[in-house]
Amino acid sequence: AQSVTQPDIHITVSEGASLELRCNYSYGATPYLFWYVQSPGQGLQLLLKYFSGDTLVQGIKGFEAEFKRSQSSFNLRKPSVHWSDAAEYFCAVGAGSGGGADGLTFGKGTHLIIQP
Amino acid sequence: KAGVTQTPRYLIKTRGQQVTLSCSPISGHRSVSWYQQTPGQGLQFLFEYFSETQRNKGNFPGRFSGRQFSNSRSEMNVSTLELGDSALYLCASSTTGAPNYGYTFGSGTRLTVV
Repeated sequence: AQSVTQPDIHITVSEGASLELRCNYSYGATPYLFWYVQSPGQGLQLLLKYFSGDTLVQGIKGFEAEFKRSQSSFNLRKPSVHWSDAAEYFCAVGAGSGGGADGLTFGKGTHLIIQP
Repeated sequence: KAGVTQTPRYLIKTRGQQVTLSCSPISGHRSVSWYQQTPGQGLQFLFEYFSETQRNKGNFPGRFSGRQFSNSRSEMNVSTLELGDSALYLCASSTTGAPNYGYTFGSGTRLTVV
């Protein structure tokens, strides 16, 4: 079964600084990888996804992520954060071809705090 | 284009009662999936319905059930509520039923069991 680890429960970043959120996954085949963001009291919004091809994927809101098979990682980055980026960020993995029997498997999330 | 609509937004129930939550997917989406989100366990997959059939189910007890109607709207039901069922229940819709091809999540129903 697949699993996702987000090592950082909380991260504090100054507004305007760069950001990297870590994600490590465990899955036997080529994974389908996602980053979602959740604002307080809201559902999840998809930031970006990786299926195959170019290992650097661009998403919405200026985010990007890089898939590194050798490290089983899919870290999320942003060159300059804005106060509105404060939220909970979830990395997720899906099994091949159709989502599999277990839907998406999510990490426990990283809470991003932006300080002025 | 309307998004995924979940009703009600908030719900307070007493232990032992049952509850029904509703999800209306995006028009044209035939798949609805349900997730439970708690501080301790995080986001966990409950089940997925496609064209009125449950195709996938997560590791939850039989007290958790669901159904999907011909218009793709879905309901989930939790019987004999326990305090541990307090959670945010999220619904996600997609066209094919494969989360790999894009989920759209609703804002969730916050269930509190007292």
